[in-house]
Amino acid sequence: GESVGLHLPTLSVQEGDNSIINCAYSNSASDYFIWYKQESGKGPQFIIDIRSNMDKRQGQRVTVLLNKTVKHLSLQIAATQPGDSAVYFCAEAFTGGGNKLTFGTGTQLKVEL
Amino acid sequence: DAGVIQSPRHEVTEMGQEVTLRCKPISGHNSLFWYRQTMMRGLELLIYFNNNVPIDDSGMPEDRFSAKMPNASFSTLKIQPSEPRDSAVYFCASSVYGTDSSYEQYFGPGTRLTVT
Repeated sequence: GESVGLHLPTLSVQEGDNSIINCAYSNSASDYFIWYKQESGKGPQFIIDIRSNMDKRQGQRVTVLLNKTVKHLSLQIAATQPGDSAVYFCAEAFTGGGNKLTFGTGTQLKVEL
Repeated sequence: DAGVIQSPRHEVTEMGQEVTLRCKPISGHNSLFWYRQTMMRGLELLIYFNNNVPIDDSGMPEDRFSAKMPNASFSTLKIQPSEPRDSAVYFCASSVYGTDSSYEQYFGPGTRLTVT
């Protein structure tokens, strides 16, 4: 029979535009968050992290925003490039409960030339 | 520097056969994680080890799955007997436990398992 897969949200952006990828996390006790990028055929790759005592953190071309009130995380990519095309996952952790991560379902980012 | 090394990269086997997946974490890393990724269920944590000791195996689907870490530089994930529903990409990841980077996991390239 036909398998039903996860419905990955897809974000399509034009090259050079800014991208915003959103994530709703589940555990109100989570106090550490990471964004990962997974290119086709590869393992997830760390992009940026943020702790719950911050609401914004910037990296190279990327910014992560955290809103603990509504349990929402976003990843902003400035001047999106074709190499940014990938699936992006947010992951959460409760640092008082071991060092494991719980991953979200992911968002497919497609960069159009 | 070598990243996380997984072998084999691809495995095709018949239902009922034993499958062993291997992982070498990054040198100096003392946490090791096994994940499974499928279209149906996304990226799931199966089990993880700190300092070669299994900490949480609640994600292991059933008794057919077992994992070992005999030393700091090697881990195996075994499926016996394998079933078609085990078909997935299996990732190994490692991190440095006990530091500010405890949660920064580095992933291997994965093993794509197909059970026919």
